Amino acid sequence: DTAVSQTPKYLVTQMGNDKSIKCEQNLGHDTMYWYKQDSKKFLKIMFSYNNKELIINETVPNRFSPKSPDKAHLNLHINSLELGDSAVYFCASSPQLTDTQYFGPGTRLTVL
Amino acid sequence: AQSVTQLDSHVSVSEGTPVLLRCNYSSSYSPSLFWYVQHPNKGLQLLLKYTSAATLVKGINGFEAEFKKSETSFHLTKPSAHMSDAAEYFCVVSVYGSEKLVFGKGTKLTVNP
Repeated sequence: DTAVSQTPKYLVTQMGNDKSIKCEQNLGHDTMYWYKQDSKKFLKIMFSYNNKELIINETVPNRFSPKSPDKAHLNLHINSLELGDSAVYFCASSPQLTDTQYFGPGTRLTVL
Repeated sequence: AQSVTQLDSHVSVSEGTPVLLRCNYSSSYSPSLFWYVQHPNKGLQLLLKYTSAATLVKGINGFEAEFKKSETSFHLTKPSAHMSDAAEYFCVVSVYGSEKLVFGKGTKLTVNP
């Protein structure tokens, strides 16, 4: 009965590889987000989707591409991984017309 | 632009003593403010939210926060710390007109036995 789930929980990969992180929410929310938390615990929004449409796109390298196949899913695909991409990535969701966001457990990405 | 400043990067208290985590905000509009908690190797959990209905906001696990417009503060308090409160705490402001949240840099709370 997990509200916002992410897979995988841990991801270790080599530089230059392409990887995806999946996110699903069963809360019936309209909006989903991806955040990046760096090694100093600082959290910054990357993307936001509302009903499968991109509404927030911060200054993120275009190697990062979010994909929302339906309202309940927002996946993050990363091409040509770099050392600096190592971080914890959090997915979140919120109901429409409210700013309260509910976070997933995070995916710790390590690029070697 | 909206922003939050968490005044302490690390706070250490003894079990059973009060907790005070300080946060100042900057906003041109009446802000929505939040406190989130992140336990080690876990996701973020919403502790409480201020939306102008009441200046004193009660959250989960005995935490509360008071919105003080004159001081542009939203400090988080708890009367008596438990060992399980040890975690990273984030003060967050919502950007007016969007669903975007802006996070503070976090305060690590250590609870000593």
